Amino acid sequence: TQLLEQSPQFLSIQEGENLTVYCNSSSVFSSLQWYRQEPGEGPVLLVTVVTGGEVKKLKRLTFQFGDARKDSSLHITAAQPGDTGLYLCAGARNYGQNFVFGPGTRLSVLP
Amino acid sequence: ETGVTQSPTHLIKTRGQQVTLRCSSQSGHNTVSWYQQALGQGPQFIFQYYREEENGRGNFPPRFSGLQFPNYSSELNVNALELDDSALYLCASSPGLAGNNEQFFGPGTRLTVL
Repeated sequence: TQLLEQSPQFLSIQEGENLTVYCNSSSVFSSLQWYRQEPGEGPVLLVTVVTGGEVKKLKRLTFQFGDARKDSSLHITAAQPGDTGLYLCAGARNYGQNFVFGPGTRLSVLP
Repeated sequence: ETGVTQSPTHLIKTRGQQVTLRCSSQSGHNTVSWYQQALGQGPQFIFQYYREEENGRGNFPPRFSGLQFPNYSSELNVNALELDDSALYLCASSPGLAGNNEQFFGPGTRLTVL
């Protein structure tokens, strides 16, 4: 049983479209991270959220942490082919604990 | 500043053999964490080394062991390889315990067990 579930598992869209991917759990997290992983590379940290209801923006990417700190979403506006990759969320149950990763959403943005 | 490097890039072994994977941490980082990423899954935490001591371990059997050296580079050793050990093995370094600091991942070693 996965501690973190991510949906959708796969997503293929055209350049310029908007999309949202989700990270859900029945557990409360003290902090949650989003990573992007490209083929042949390790994951790269995009953002860390720690406060329930927190919204962070990184250019065309908007991250939201749920009020109850059990879920998170990543919204991409006007997707570009360079956004293609595996998007992973990772949560820490308590401060200082190691992060547990979800299975990821594989995004493909077609030109 | 040199990033996290791992060697080898790819490795093929047979069941029952032993393997050693290596990781050089980023300059100034004293913590290395190892993860196993099976095909189509997210990384699974194996263990973390902080200042040459194991500090936290995931749900992996004792045949997965590690070592951290005084220069904070690290090794992952896997004995008695099984087919299910086939995966991408990632190491990540951080300037302190991984739960409190940003981790920087290497490109991984892809291990295939036949």
